[in-house]
Amino acid sequence: EVQLVESGGDLVQPGGSLRLSCAASGFTFSGYWMHWFRQAPGKGLVWVSRIRYDGSVTEYADSVKGRFTISRDNAMKTLYLQMNSLGAEDTAVYYCARDLWSAGDCWGQGTLVTVSS
Amino acid sequence: QSALTQPASVAGSPGQSITISCTGTYSDVGGKNQVSWYQQHPGKAPKLMIYNVNNRPSGISYRFSGSKSDNTASLTISGLQAEDESDYYCSSYTTSNTVVFGGGTKLTVL
Repeated sequence: EVQLVESGGDLVQPGGSLRLSCAASGFTFSGYWMHWFRQAPGKGLVWVSRIRYDGSVTEYADSVKGRFTISRDNAMKTLYLQMNSLGAEDTAVYYCARDLWSAGDCWGQGTLVTVSS
Repeated sequence: QSALTQPASVAGSPGQSITISCTGTYSDVGGKNQVSWYQQHPGKAPKLMIYNVNNRPSGISYRFSGSKSDNTASLTISGLQAEDESDYYCSSYTTSNTVVFGGGTKLTVL
């Protein structure tokens, strides 16, 4: 069974940093592009970033470019999102998702990041 | 403000058909065939319903179909059922290799 489990969400102060993880199982992790998405409370879905299956290509939404870094460890079957210079606008549930057919075909349950003093 | 424009809400009675529109520009919906639709129930993760404009993943009912004309994509749900009541989001790749979403549409089954 394909499974993605996010972790690392927490309450962090403005200007702080956080690293999210997404543990994958049930499929050949190293063969897929992966995404991070987010959803602020009561709001819609927003794409954050994606990474090529070998980690050689990364892309970011303008709202996080220069502050967030996506990476992966294929040996550990884990996707990461390093988030720096966090602001209130980054408060959201963060989801990782597998890319298949240029869409998120399998999503994790999400991890909540709250940025507040 | 979302890059793609969806109606905030649509409604239909059981057995009827409804269509949700998703309007973008030539830089996303109009210029790419990587248009997807997601269903999201409250408190749950999104579920892929349609990919590449009009393809259904395995296990998705034939009642869900997608199409595209110029800068507007559409999701049609036929034979509405109570369990279809949910939020629906469209997304598209862009010519800059980023991904944009619509603001979401709340479907109410009357």
